[in-house]
Parts: sequence; structure tokens; C-alpha cells
Amino acid sequence: DAGITQSPRHKVTETGTPVTLRCHQTENHRYMYWYRQDPGHGLRLIHYSYGVKDTDKGEVSDGYSVSRSKTEDFLLTLESATSSQTSVYFCAISEPPSVGTYEQYFGPGTRLTVT
Amino acid sequence: AQKVTQAQTEISVVEKEDVTLDCVYETRDTTYYLFWYKQPPSGELVFLIRRNSFDEQNEISGRYSWNFQKSTSSFNFTITASQVVDSAVYFCALSEAPGGGATNKLIFGTGTLLAVQP
Repeated sequence: DAGITQSPRHKVTETGTPVTLRCHQTENHRYMYWYRQDPGHGLRLIHYSYGVKDTDKGEVSDGYSVSRSKTEDFLLTLESATSSQTSVYFCAISEPPSVGTYEQYFGPGTRLTVT
Repeated sequence: AQKVTQAQTEISVVEKEDVTLDCVYETRDTTYYLFWYKQPPSGELVFLIRRNSFDEQNEISGRYSWNFQKSTSSFNFTITASQVVDSAVYFCALSEAPGGGATNKLIFGTGTLLAVQP
């Protein structure tokens, strides 16, 4: 199994509060991703990182920010949580395309409920 | 734009039946990658297979097989002699071609829930 952990695994928070989810990897992979999983939508990309301090937006980035100060950690912040951000959040890692593997390996997920 | 369609929302079969999960994709890229992931009831996402767009050979791994057809933009997944442990949500995904600026971003289908009854 890829060495990817996510914390917390479960969180309940109130509307309007900031929330930070952490993804930690021990694989030294350069690329990291945050997805959200919702019924009827599959997984959708929120933000991704292609190196320390190098990040970019995905398909559903509104209301989210990310930071990556170390190779092993990728943080996802909900600046002011809303009920529409209730979801299961997955972190993923991969090697750069130049390595030739392309598949992503996923963490265990964080279930976030915004009340 | 890239898109992945898994038209089968739920499939229910009885153990030992064969079952095929359909995946149809859209992309303008001439080089791309297709994937299947499994999400069992425990919730984790497990990588099953990657297929390059320039390799149309079918692949078999035990009871699993994959049929890639560029002519119909399909990448279907067949489980032979299904077992209860195969019960899961299965996702098909597409990624952009590698090369300058490519980042392996995945576009997922909405998934197919497979229930294998004993």
C-alpha cells in the first residue's frame, strides 16, 4: 500500500468555520491531489500540486485553498465551510508524467459534515 | 472537453455470473490514459489497471479482463465468475496525455455499484 494518511478521518463542523484537512505521504512523490466524492458525481478534482509551493486549481476549486510547504504534506483549507462542502475528501499522489507510471494512489479519505 | 460516462448506475448479479461494466470516454487528445479503480464498502480507492491509448491489446488478470476499443471510445471491464468480494463501486477514469505541462489529472466517471449476491 502507498504510504498516504489523511487527518482527520472524520469531522463535523459548523457553517462558517474554517477547516483544514491534511494529507501526508511517505513515498516522496512529487504530485499530490485533492478530490471530493459526492453521489452522482464520482470524484472531482479540487486542487493539485506539482511540487513544493507549486499548486493549481482543479474543476471545483471555489471555496477551497491549498498549501504545500514540504514534499510530504498537502493541506486543504475550507476558508468558510458551507453545507455544500459536506463530502468525502480524498488525497492522491503520483509520480510526474515523465516517470511513465501515471496512475494515482489514494489515501483513506476524510468524511466531512458541515452542519 | 474530456468526459467519462458510466451509464450503469447499479448492477446486481448472483455469484459465479459474469458481469461487464461499461465505460465510454470522450477526449480530443490523441494520446491518453484510461484507468479502473475499485472502491469496496470500506471506502478506500484501489487502483486496478492503466491502459495507454496506443495499446489496444486486451488485458486479463485472473478473473478480471479489460476490452479497450478506440473505434467506439470504450474501455469495458469484465469480471468472470463473480464473487461476493467483488461487490464494490467501480470507477473508470481518463487522464490527459503526458508531456509539457501535463499533470496526470484524472477525470472520473460517476461509478457503477456492483452487488454480487451469494
